[in-house]
Amino acid sequence: EPEVTQTPSHQVTQMGQEVILRCVPISNHLYFYWYRQILGQKVEFLVSFYNNEISEKSEIFDDQFSVERPDGSNFTLKIRSTKLEDSAMYFCASSGQVNTEAFFGQGTRLTVV
Amino acid sequence: DQQVKQNSPSLSVQEGRISILNCDYTNSMFDYFLWYKKYPAEGPTFLISISSIKDKNEDGRFTVFLNKSAKHLSLHIVPSQPGDSAVYFCAASDTGGTSYGKLTFGQGTILTVHP
Repeated sequence: EPEVTQTPSHQVTQMGQEVILRCVPISNHLYFYWYRQILGQKVEFLVSFYNNEISEKSEIFDDQFSVERPDGSNFTLKIRSTKLEDSAMYFCASSGQVNTEAFFGQGTRLTVV
Repeated sequence: DQQVKQNSPSLSVQEGRISILNCDYTNSMFDYFLWYKKYPAEGPTFLISISSIKDKNEDGRFTVFLNKSAKHLSLHIVPSQPGDSAVYFCAASDTGGTSYGKLTFGQGTILTVHP
């Protein structure tokens, strides 16, 4: 069964460093998302991406964040200068059509020290 | 942001009995609802969804009920099995807007099914 794949599964970084979280969405999907879950809190929407551009972003997704689909398969989330409060599980998701179920990857645990 | 709320942090059920997980929402623009299941160290797994034009959707042991006037939905699992033990998230979407599938999640309910 097709699945969304995320790497790495765990990333530890020092405050102020840049990180890139990588995702390979399901191959025929067109809509891509990043969500995050801070420990003990809800899963929160960060950004949606369609047709090579951001379609919506949350207030969390400030100038420190960017997304890119550098080739036909990868979808990346970059955090330019990490802060302690960026520590969370980051989930990539994709869907084949708009407003249908999204399929999630297993997540990347980001720890900022 | 409390647009989607799951007021029960946890639920404990005996194997073979019914599990009922509840979810309330406040945003009247939401018209598509989903339930996800999540195990520790894994991503959410889609279970079942319902559009606001329906009031019930069934898939095997899982049934979702939607009460639009009460802005309430519930997930029924019958019969419950120990493997159903996980965190269950309710999520909602406004398909008529320009959100391109953005999901708003509830806080989750930890379901424990005892053998």
